[in-house]
Amino acid sequence: DADVTQTPRNRITKTGKRIMLECSQTKGHDRMYWYRQDPGLGLRLIYYSFDVKDINKGEISDGYSVSRQAQAKFSLSLESAIPNQTALYFCATSPFGTGNYNEQFFGPGTRLTVL
Amino acid sequence: AQSVTQPDIHITVSEGASLELRCNYSYGATPYLFWYVQSPGQGLQLLLKYFSGDTLVQGIKGFEAEFKRSQSSFNLRKPSVHWSDAAEYFCAVGTNAGGTSYGKLTFGQGTILTVHP
Repeated sequence: DADVTQTPRNRITKTGKRIMLECSQTKGHDRMYWYRQDPGLGLRLIYYSFDVKDINKGEISDGYSVSRQAQAKFSLSLESAIPNQTALYFCATSPFGTGNYNEQFFGPGTRLTVL
Repeated sequence: AQSVTQPDIHITVSEGASLELRCNYSYGATPYLFWYVQSPGQGLQLLLKYFSGDTLVQGIKGFEAEFKRSQSSFNLRKPSVHWSDAAEYFCAVGTNAGGTSYGKLTFGQGTILTVHP
């Protein structure tokens, strides 16, 4: 079984709809991240969470919100989807503590299309 | 703030040829450096990482990378490319700064590798 799972894997929606992307992990990591990938722009950080009570904005958080329901679950919501939020979304995790050296482990991605 | 530049958007090589993908970073202290690979339809997989010590690091799938502090570079190399290496490659820099910066990665724009038979 995959250590980091994302649901759904593909989603097509319409402008103005509310969308939730879910991420679950079995790695036991404290830290979780949401990125979006656009061609030619690499991965950009949307939100990250260092534990259940700690949520931080990344570089492109406008139009997005997150919820850390448990150590293993981190959801990303688009309150009112717009076409320029069409992208590939990745969830990632990393362990806490000295010596982890920031290595992150990625889920398979969710391809979101907003019409 | 840190940044990463991958100057080559797309590289094409023949199978069996050598490969070098370039990565330049900007960060005020010693960085943590990573190369990830993304195969079509897949998530990102870590190829190798540099934290300290030997500046030439070995990774999976026959890849290696060399950290050159004087050039702020961390180029990825492979002596003989296989068709299965066709993918997109991302360089990333992490910080050892404290507070909410700790644990964050900044990614480059990516380099798409095409391998001709």
